[in-house]
Amino acid sequence: AIQLTQSPSSLSASVGDRVTLTCRASQDIDTDLAWYQQKPGEGPKLLIYDASRLKSGAPSRFTGSGSGTDFTLTVSGLQPEDFATYYCQQFKSFPLTFGGGTKVQIK
Amino acid sequence: QIALKESGPTLVKPTQTLTLTCKLSGFSLGTTGEGVGWVRQPPGKALEWLALIYWNDDKRYSPSLKNRLTITGDTSKNQVVLTMTNLGPVDTATYFCVHSWKLVGYYFDYWGQGSLVSVSS
Repeated sequence: AIQLTQSPSSLSASVGDRVTLTCRASQDIDTDLAWYQQKPGEGPKLLIYDASRLKSGAPSRFTGSGSGTDFTLTVSGLQPEDFATYYCQQFKSFPLTFGGGTKVQIK
Repeated sequence: QIALKESGPTLVKPTQTLTLTCKLSGFSLGTTGEGVGWVRQPPGKALEWLALIYWNDDKRYSPSLKNRLTITGDTSKNQVVLTMTNLGPVDTATYFCVHSWKLVGYYFDYWGQGSLVSVSS
């Protein structure tokens, strides 16, 4: 199975900051990567698919990039509603796998 | 508007079988390309993919749980059912039903609210 390693596991940031989250795959997955945002008590929401395509309706301050094994999710100008946990998921091959998550907390 | 809603027991005893139902709205599993899956999340932990079923009855399972899982689709009721046998405490988790559109990729663009299942005697 393809393993996804997210870093950092948590970070503290302020409203307005630019933050970058990383997801590394154990093997080449091309751009078959999605990013999800999850708030406490809620189901995850898709933000990015195909590594860099923004889901319709998702805020444009979220940017995904990368291919192969290294991927990033950047939030440009954190908003109060962005404090949440973010997960990456690979869909290059089965079994589908998720990263361990990055929790973005308020500083 | 695509929506998914999970239902099932909140408490299950060890060794019992869990049956979860996902009611679909805004789409039909009988439509080409449509798929529904299950993802779970133990309290305070990460997400884990369990199973997927597509409109053509193509089914995929997590290898680590394959022997315990069965996913079925009922187009007449527009729902998907997941059964998991021989439950143990480690299966305590929130179980999410998810929508997938196979023609673009095996990711999940809509999620249900989740169904918390506790395994305890």
